[in-house]
Amino acid sequence: GAVVSQHPSRVICKSGTSVKIECRSLDFQATTMFWYRQFPKQSLMLMATSNEGSKATYEQGVEKDKFLINHASLTLSTLTVTSAHPEDSSFYICSAEGGRDQPQHFGDGTRLSIL
Amino acid sequence: SQQGEEDPQALSIQEGENATMNCSYKTSINNLQWYRQNSGRGLVHLILIRSNEREKHSGRLRVTLDTSKKSSSLLITASRAADTASYFCATGSRSNDYKLSFGAGTTVTVRA
Repeated sequence: GAVVSQHPSRVICKSGTSVKIECRSLDFQATTMFWYRQFPKQSLMLMATSNEGSKATYEQGVEKDKFLINHASLTLSTLTVTSAHPEDSSFYICSAEGGRDQPQHFGDGTRLSIL
Repeated sequence: SQQGEEDPQALSIQEGENATMNCSYKTSINNLQWYRQNSGRGLVHLILIRSNEREKHSGRLRVTLDTSKKSSSLLITASRAADTASYFCATGSRSNDYKLSFGAGTTVTVRA
């Protein structure tokens, strides 16, 4: 089946650091990828839609200068949390679209902890 | 945005019993999907049911969809300890570019 690899799985860093998270589709090409944020014991909130070769589309309330998304190839999307602060600590999950009206394929998530 | 609500929030059952959870949504949809999430992990797709379907099966899983009531249910039969996880419903709609809108989730604990 379709596999999405997300790295790193866990990051602990100091306030003010920028952190890059990678999301790769390993055995298929993903024109569209999604980035979600999940707080403890809560649901997934869509942050942005990453489109290969074009600018990402951000959901309302998500700061695009804070969460930089790059989708330079059909198999890789990156999310960079710039100048991270403790309130950015969360579980970030990416997914790749399997096709319109099809299931999404999720990475294993990245636990980000900002001290 | 989040449009689904799930019921119950948490469920604890004995191994071998069935587990049923429900999902309600607010706007019209093209599909409804169920996903499982083990603690600290990503989501695993379970079943996708389209708006013109009423019931779907996959192994020990049974999903129903009632578009008139804007609700769906997921039944896990003969539960196992490995079924312990959080289960989320998510709706996809052409009008929203098929971006998924997730429910709050049901945490299922299966006791051995």
